[in-house]
Amino acid sequence: SQTIHQWPATLVQPVGSPLSLECTVEGTSNPNLYWYRQAAGRGLQLLFYSVGIGQISSEVPQNLSASRPQDRQFILSSKKLLLSDSGFYLCAWGGRPYGYTFGSGTRLTVV
Amino acid sequence: GDSVTQMEGPVTLSEEAFLTINCTYTATGYPSLFWYVQYPGEGLQLLLKATKADDKGSNKGFEATYRKETTSFHLEKGSVQVSDSAVYFCALSEIGSGGGADGLTFGKGTHLIIQP
Repeated sequence: SQTIHQWPATLVQPVGSPLSLECTVEGTSNPNLYWYRQAAGRGLQLLFYSVGIGQISSEVPQNLSASRPQDRQFILSSKKLLLSDSGFYLCAWGGRPYGYTFGSGTRLTVV
Repeated sequence: GDSVTQMEGPVTLSEEAFLTINCTYTATGYPSLFWYVQYPGEGLQLLLKATKADDKGSNKGFEATYRKETTSFHLEKGSVQVSDSAVYFCALSEIGSGGGADGLTFGKGTHLIIQP
């Protein structure tokens, strides 16, 4: 069966520090992968998606970047965090019509 | 562009009450529709889905029917439990929606609180 792993679960980082969040998928090959952010009091916003190794598309201009170094690995990064980067980050894989499977999320607090 | 509108809440009900969470959508094509649930401190779990008009998705006592004529996908449950307390997200997926790889467009979520 397919599983998705995301870590760390929680993270507290100072402003200006770098960020690296990792997501890996098991049990499937060449998945579509996604990074979403859920900011406090707001809905879920698609940040990046990838249809294959090295292929990254950004939905929202921001302080973040994403990379896909391997077929089932998706990384979200930042060189210098801002306060506004705080939120709940979710990795997902899948596509229509079957649906999408989400990881357990990373709660990032920038202080 | 595509969008999803749902009541934000919080919605507070007593145990065993009937639940309806309204969801309407705007899409340029023929989307697939989903309800996701997020329990406190956790990620999102797929609750149910429907891929074409008049399809009814169901799971754990929850139901939603894809109504193309009213562009709606309302979530219902006949008798809620305290364990149903969570945030519920309505979402759609369409090619080009939320990304060229047919990502999801979400509503803002409805916080449901069930009191014993």
